[in-house]
Amino acid sequence: EPEVTQTPSHQVTQMGQEVILRCVPISNHLYFYWYRQILGQKVEFLVSFYNNEISEKSEIFDDQFSVERPDGSNFTLKIRSTKLEDSAMYFCASSERPGGAGGYTFGSGTRLTVV
Amino acid sequence: GENVGLHLPTLSVQEGDNSIINCAYSNSASDYFIWYKQESGKGPQFIIDIRSNMDKRQGQRVTVLLNKTVKHLSLQIAATQPGDSAVYFCAEEGSLRFGNEKLTFGTGTRLTIIP
Repeated sequence: EPEVTQTPSHQVTQMGQEVILRCVPISNHLYFYWYRQILGQKVEFLVSFYNNEISEKSEIFDDQFSVERPDGSNFTLKIRSTKLEDSAMYFCASSERPGGAGGYTFGSGTRLTVV
Repeated sequence: GENVGLHLPTLSVQEGDNSIINCAYSNSASDYFIWYKQESGKGPQFIIDIRSNMDKRQGQRVTVLLNKTVKHLSLQIAATQPGDSAVYFCAEEGSLRFGNEKLTFGTGTRLTIIP
């Protein structure tokens, strides 16, 4: 079964450093998403991406965040200057059509720990 | 503001029994609802979905019920098995007519199946 692959599975970084979280969406999917989950809390939407541009973003997705599809397979989330409160699980998802009915598939996540 | 939440944070059920997990939502414009299962260290996994024009949908051992009058969603799992132990999230999505592709998740219920 096709999977969304995320790397690394765990990233530890110092406050103020930049991190890049990587995702390989399912190959025929056209819609890409990032969500995050702070420990013990609900999954929160960050951003959706289609046709090489952001289609929607949440209030969480401020200027320190950016997304990019640098080639035909990768989809990245960059956090420019990490803060302690950025510590969370970050999930990438992709879908064939827009929205949940398009069959979101989530990756296993990257656990980001900011120290 | 809009909110999707769960009535109970934890639920323990004897193996073989049926379980019911509940979810309340407040956005009456929500068009589409999904239940996800999240096992430890993994991303949300799709279980079953339902559109707002339906009130019941059945899958294999799972049934989702939607009561739009009271904005309530439930997930019934029949004949529970140890592998059903996980955190279950409901998620809702607004109408795609307004370009709303994001999922809004509830806080999650931890289901534990007792052997």
